[in-house]
Amino acid sequence: DGGITQSPKYLFRKEGQNVTLSCEQNLNHDAMYWYRQDPGQGLRLIYYSQIVNDFQKGDIAEGYSVSREKKESFPLTVTSAQKNPTAFYLCASSPGQGVYEQYFGPGTRLTVT
Amino acid sequence: QQPVQSPQAVILREGEDAVINCSSSKALYSVHWYRQKHGEAPVFLMILLKGGEQKGHDKISASFNEKKQQSSLYLTASQLSYSGTYFCGTHYNTDKLIFGTGTRLQVFP
Repeated sequence: DGGITQSPKYLFRKEGQNVTLSCEQNLNHDAMYWYRQDPGQGLRLIYYSQIVNDFQKGDIAEGYSVSREKKESFPLTVTSAQKNPTAFYLCASSPGQGVYEQYFGPGTRLTVT
Repeated sequence: QQPVQSPQAVILREGEDAVINCSSSKALYSVHWYRQKHGEAPVFLMILLKGGEQKGHDKISASFNEKKQQSSLYLTASQLSYSGTYFCGTHYNTDKLIFGTGTRLQVFP
């Protein structure tokens, strides 16, 4: 079955530690995205990538980093520079640039204490 | 700049209808609609690509008024499964999808 997987579903970290969230897709999609969602809030774009080895900052990129070495994978690292990292993180993909529907993974809920 | 949705929340009984609006101060080049259930990922409902377009499946439909920079989502004869938070989104003629403020819909028996 084609889809997007994110792991782990729940993640707990101590303040000051970097943490990497996994996102893998087997839909053969060119574009991938990372969003952050806080309780009762909408989705805010962190980073996105339209092709391998290229990515762009979204609206809230500070304190985050990404890589896109393979078409299927778009990991997100939450660094210690991110002041409020506790949130629900969603990865999505779409067939390419332009106006396409986005397919979302199940999300990772990160708690930093 | 984020599209604004109204109302912020709706409470319905099964079988009732609802309308959710998505408005922008900038021109909308496309409108996406998604539904997200609590703790889950958003699920795509539909895309409207041009002004005047209307789409629908089952009892959920949407319209896009390009001149008014607005889209509306219509839920007819609501079912319990319609409960969740509805988000519109637009590209604003860029390659980023910007999501709206969200509308929480609760359907009770």
